[in-house]
Amino acid sequence: DAEITQSPRHKITETGRQVTLACHQTWNHNNMFWYRQDLGHGLRLIHYSYGVQDTNKGEVSDGYSVSRSNTEDLPLTLESAASSQTSVYFCASSEYGGKDEKLFFGSGTQLSVL
Amino acid sequence: EDQVTQSPEALRLQEGESSSLNCSYTVSGLRGLFWYRQDPGKGPEFLFTLYSAGEEKEKERLKATLTKKESFLHITAPKPEDSATYLCAVQDPGTGGFKTIFGAGTRLFVKA
Repeated sequence: DAEITQSPRHKITETGRQVTLACHQTWNHNNMFWYRQDLGHGLRLIHYSYGVQDTNKGEVSDGYSVSRSNTEDLPLTLESAASSQTSVYFCASSEYGGKDEKLFFGSGTQLSVL
Repeated sequence: EDQVTQSPEALRLQEGESSSLNCSYTVSGLRGLFWYRQDPGKGPEFLFTLYSAGEEKEKERLKATLTKKESFLHITAPKPEDSATYLCAVQDPGTGGFKTIFGAGTRLFVKA
């Protein structure tokens, strides 16, 4: 069955370190998204991509970057981790032009920045 | 600015006690309103999409309805397994329609 996989599930890092969170989907979807989820804020969009070589900033993109070199993967990089980036990160994908344009989510990565 | 507001933040029900969750939204042109369910430690899972005022969709004990300014998720005779966070979302039509904006969610607790 097609799926979307995030790794690692849990990560502890130190302030100032570079961290990369992986996201891999086998749906063959063109659209991929990164969200962070914090209590009281819900899901907030960090970056998104409509296809290979395409990336766009979301509402909370400062301190984060993404690159899309193939259809399946959209890694999220924290250039210099800060305590404010402690959060649960979700990757999602959707089918381009799909009727529902619903999102399929991974299981999330719990990131702690100490 | 597009906004999605959900209420209440948390809802505690007894098994069999029906209730409704509210989602109010402001968006310049609605392309779709979505409901998702999220269990602890997992990613959100799609439930429904509604496109126009008056539309209704049902799945087991859940029914979603849509007006021009809000959506309701009605839960009829809930069971403990319905306990989860329910998220409402709209699509932002300003940049091609692929950005989905979420509300903060309603945490539902159903006690046996």
